[in-house]
Amino acid sequence: GAVVSQHPSWVICKSGTSVKIECRSLDFQATTMFWYRQFPKQSLMLMATSNEGSKATYEQGVEKDKFLINHASLTLSTLTVTSAHPEDSSFYICSAVQGVNTQYFGPGTRLTVL
Amino acid sequence: GQQLNQSPQSMFIQEGEDVSMNCTSSSIFNTWLWYKQDPGEGPVLLIALYKAGELTSNGRLTAQFGITRKDSFLNISASIPSDVGIYFCAGSLNAGGTSYGKLTFGQGTILTVHP
Repeated sequence: GAVVSQHPSWVICKSGTSVKIECRSLDFQATTMFWYRQFPKQSLMLMATSNEGSKATYEQGVEKDKFLINHASLTLSTLTVTSAHPEDSSFYICSAVQGVNTQYFGPGTRLTVL
Repeated sequence: GQQLNQSPQSMFIQEGEDVSMNCTSSSIFNTWLWYKQDPGEGPVLLIALYKAGELTSNGRLTAQFGITRKDSFLNISASIPSDVGIYFCAGSLNAGGTSYGKLTFGQGTILTVHP
């Protein structure tokens, strides 16, 4: 199947700092990527849709100035959590769309904000 | 946001038993996807269904796209300990615009297999 990578796999940062997470589709090109957040024992919550060459589309309640998304190429999307706070600690997962609407997920990034 | 109704929420079975889980929705989808997620990892695609009535197998896994386009089931035959994990169904309606490719997820089914 299609392979999607994320980097870093985990990160610990101090409150007030910014953290960048990369999502790459390794063996296919993805015009569309998605960013999710997942809390323990819960399903995935869609944060935003990342479109190559255009602005991201954010879900209701997600602050676009706090979660900056850049989809600079057909294989890379980045999520930057700006001025991170402890409540931003979570498991962040990206996915990349192959074909019409089949999503392949990355392995996730565990963010811990102290 | 909208969620699919996935059941059961959890299952405790003996190794070798068959497993069945399903998802229902009040609205139609044109794609159904089934994923498995292990702790601390991203979901892995198990089976993708693109046509109403479609029945697809992947090893011991079998999934069907309901004829009404509002439901899907996943069966696992002869379960083994490594089947342990959380299984999610997801539906997509390629309606174009900002909803293109978006997935609606079920709540997940936690599967425990006793040796």
